[in-house]
Amino acid sequence: DVKVTQSSRYLVKRTGEKVFLECVQDMDHENMFWYRQDPGLGLRLIYFSYDVKMKEKGDIPEGYSVSREKKERFSLILESASTNQTSMYLCASTGTGVHTQYFGPGTRLTVL
Amino acid sequence: QKEVEQNSGPLSVPEGAIASLNCTYSDRGSQSFFWYRQYSGKSPELIMFIYSNGDKEDGRFTAQLNKASQYVSLLIRDSQPSDSATYLCAVRGAGNNRKLIWGLGTSLAVNP
Repeated sequence: DVKVTQSSRYLVKRTGEKVFLECVQDMDHENMFWYRQDPGLGLRLIYFSYDVKMKEKGDIPEGYSVSREKKERFSLILESASTNQTSMYLCASTGTGVHTQYFGPGTRLTVL
Repeated sequence: QKEVEQNSGPLSVPEGAIASLNCTYSDRGSQSFFWYRQYSGKSPELIMFIYSNGDKEDGRFTAQLNKASQYVSLLIRDSQPSDSATYLCAVRGAGNNRKLIWGLGTSLAVNP
């Protein structure tokens, strides 16, 4: 079974803090994705990566950056957290030629 | 702008009935179609995917794809209260497209 794990289920940070969200998958998948999900807005793609050190902006990259130094790990960074980044953050992965996305459990981030 | 549309619901059905969930998409070249289930506070989990026109059955679930009319549907037979969740439709576009386009989801309530 594919397993995608995220570093925290719940996280509370203060405005202006630097926040790291980590995602690890154990299926040697090439592609990894970061989404945020808000009521009424659905799943919105922040960034994705199709290989180590490769990344592409999604629909809402502003205020975020990412890092992929190893194939299994994809990190989302909030350089200076703001209250409008309070959300559920979901990581997903998929292999080449197999486009089913497998999700981690999510991190509910609250920025005070 | 490529779009995937779903009726937000809530769709309410009695236990044991057939629930019918619909999804339309704008990109005529779309290749693959996915249905995910998401319980409140949890991450999406794959129910099934479909690539070809027609029906695909998996247990109580049937996905139906009509590319000419650009819609995909999910039927849930013998609905159970445990099926109460939000159902997300996702579509992969044409070409070497790693991303999925997501609908906002349909909320289903199965009443005992």
